[in-house]
Amino acid sequence: EAQVTQNPRYLITVTGKKLTVTCSQNMNHEYMSWYRQDPGLGLRQIYYSMNVEVTDKGDVPEGYKVSRKEKRNFPLILESPSPNQTSLYFCASTETGRGQETQYFGPGTRLLVL
Amino acid sequence: QKEVEQNSGPLSVPEGAIASLNCTYSDRGSQSFFWYRQYSGKSPELIMFIYSNGDKEDGRFTAQLNKASQYVSLLIRDSQPSDSATYLCAVKAGYSSASKIIFGSGTRLSIRP
Repeated sequence: EAQVTQNPRYLITVTGKKLTVTCSQNMNHEYMSWYRQDPGLGLRQIYYSMNVEVTDKGDVPEGYKVSRKEKRNFPLILESPSPNQTSLYFCASTETGRGQETQYFGPGTRLLVL
Repeated sequence: QKEVEQNSGPLSVPEGAIASLNCTYSDRGSQSFFWYRQYSGKSPELIMFIYSNGDKEDGRFTAQLNKASQYVSLLIRDSQPSDSATYLCAVKAGYSSASKIIFGSGTRLSIRP
């Protein structure tokens, strides 16, 4: 089954404690993204990756890091989380071709930073 | 001014009627446009992708793009209660997948039986 998986789904942590949210896709897509979703602000792109070892900043990259060492995995790293990073995070993987472009979203990770 | 603007709603439409959702964007260089549907507590899923001026139809859904006026709309014909969700408009600057994507804040649609 084609899918994007994220772990953990829920996380409560404290300010300053480094954490990683994993994202994996089994569709061999080159393009992957991370978003955060906050009430009234919609989805905002944090980082995206065009392929292995190629990443670029989205609209709200401050406080986040990413890496793309393998095509299927695109982890999101919060080196020193702060309460303003409390949010719902989505990873997405993009399929392109035949005049169509589709982002497949993971189930989301709800993060609370105390 | 927000880059991608949508009316937050809620937009209430009777079952069987046409629901019309609108989105405007500020970047004239935008080339690719998306409509996603998001049910409460779920992930967004693609409804329509459009990049050429004019209409694109898929079942009960029609996307309309007007680059000169910088708006893209989504029409839902024969609205069903299952269409009740938040609809997200998204815009990308280039044709290549290697571009930033900007989302609007979404329009909440409610279909009343």
